[in-house]
Amino acid sequence: QVVVTQSPTASASLGASVNLTCTLSSGHSKYAIAWHQQQPEKGPRYLLRLNRDGSHIKGDGIPDRFSGSSSGAERYLTISRLQSEDEADYYCQTWGTGIPAFGGGTKLTVL
Amino acid sequence: QVQLRESGPGLVRPSETLSLTCTVSGGSISGYCWNWIRQTPGKGLEWIGYIYDSGSTYYNRSLESRVTISVDTSKNQFSLKLNSVTAADTALYFCARVKDIEFDYWGQGILVTVSS
Repeated sequence: QVVVTQSPTASASLGASVNLTCTLSSGHSKYAIAWHQQQPEKGPRYLLRLNRDGSHIKGDGIPDRFSGSSSGAERYLTISRLQSEDEADYYCQTWGTGIPAFGGGTKLTVL
Repeated sequence: QVQLRESGPGLVRPSETLSLTCTVSGGSISGYCWNWIRQTPGKGLEWIGYIYDSGSTYYNRSLESRVTISVDTSKNQFSLKLNSVTAADTALYFCARVKDIEFDYWGQGILVTVSS
């Protein structure tokens, strides 16, 4: 079964850019994933779907500041021009053999 | 814009049944996969199970002996029942839609506490 791994924390300064990483387990490097944002006291919000070739499809109303890229088993979420409201938990998610798999989440702090 | 909203009791007694409903608005329940997911500080996001509009279901093996998910297409709703609850079932419960592999719409969540 596929496993997705994320670093627990990340931080970057207001106005800067940050890359969050999601790593797919061995043998699953071709899997597409989705990134979700969960702001404090809110439900998750779908950001984008990211394919193995780096192509991505964003959810409704997601700003251009959010983008994705891929390299091997790594899937990246790049947030540009960081704003205070970007401080949130970010989850990587894929779909394994019949069931979904979630990463443990990355807590992003905007300094 | 598709919206999902969870509803149900926020407090359930141990050994009783947790019952939640997800109401879908802004779109039809037909043609998609509808899921229940819960979140606890210690275990992160845990998938509970899904249902299609046809009524076909699939559950997390760790919970399947206690879970039932049903759908009411006439009301654009689907529901979760989790029986024999314990304190370990205290969590924030979300409903969500799947399109292909991604959860593309989520509810705001409902906190359910199991306590006497």
